[in-house]
Amino acid sequence: EIVLTQSPGTLSLSPGERATLSCRASQSVSSSDLAWYQQKPGQAPRLLIYGASSRATGIPDRFSGSGSGTDFTLTISRLEPEDFAVYYCQQYGSSHTFGPGTKVDIK
Amino acid sequence: QVQLQESGPGLVKPSETLSLTCTVSGYSISSGYYWGWIRQPPGKGLEWIGSIYHSGSTYYNPSLKSRLTISVDTSKNHFSLTLSSVTAADTAVYYCAREAQSPNWFTDYWGQGTLVTVSS
Repeated sequence: EIVLTQSPGTLSLSPGERATLSCRASQSVSSSDLAWYQQKPGQAPRLLIYGASSRATGIPDRFSGSGSGTDFTLTISRLEPEDFAVYYCQQYGSSHTFGPGTKVDIK
Repeated sequence: QVQLQESGPGLVKPSETLSLTCTVSGYSISSGYYWGWIRQPPGKGLEWIGSIYHSGSTYYNPSLKSRLTISVDTSKNHFSLTLSSVTAADTAVYYCAREAQSPNWFTDYWGQGTLVTVSS
């Protein structure tokens, strides 16, 4: 089973700042099998990025994904108030596991 | 607009079986995609439970496989989850969702989630 590790656990930033979130896999994951989700309290997760770097429909271009193999990154170029949330990566190569999440909160 | 709605008991006794149904509207299950279940214990992260294709082929989380059955009824446009021998550790919000496979895997539509509590 592929285990995903996300860092940091919590990221405290101010609106307008850049957020860089990391997702590391215990073994290589195909880029086509890596997605990122945003979840706000009381809501279902929302798809942000698929194929490691493709934005889902309606996702603003301040969100971008990159990486390959075992290291993937989600970048939010300039944080908007609505971006403060928990972010999860998920791999579909083996058993569809999620990472533990990174919480982006207001500094 | 694709919509998914979970339904089922909100309270299940320990050692009994948890059963949930996800009704899909705005899209025919038999047209394709995988249909899956994900859960989230209160205050914790997401756990993928398993998925089913419209043909009936399934993928299960290995840690739940011995207790898990996911089935599909294309005539009713819904799919179901049964988890046997539940314990308090199975208390969670259960989400149903649509999973795309080709050429990229992702989960694009989610239900609102339903809280299932395991307690006597």
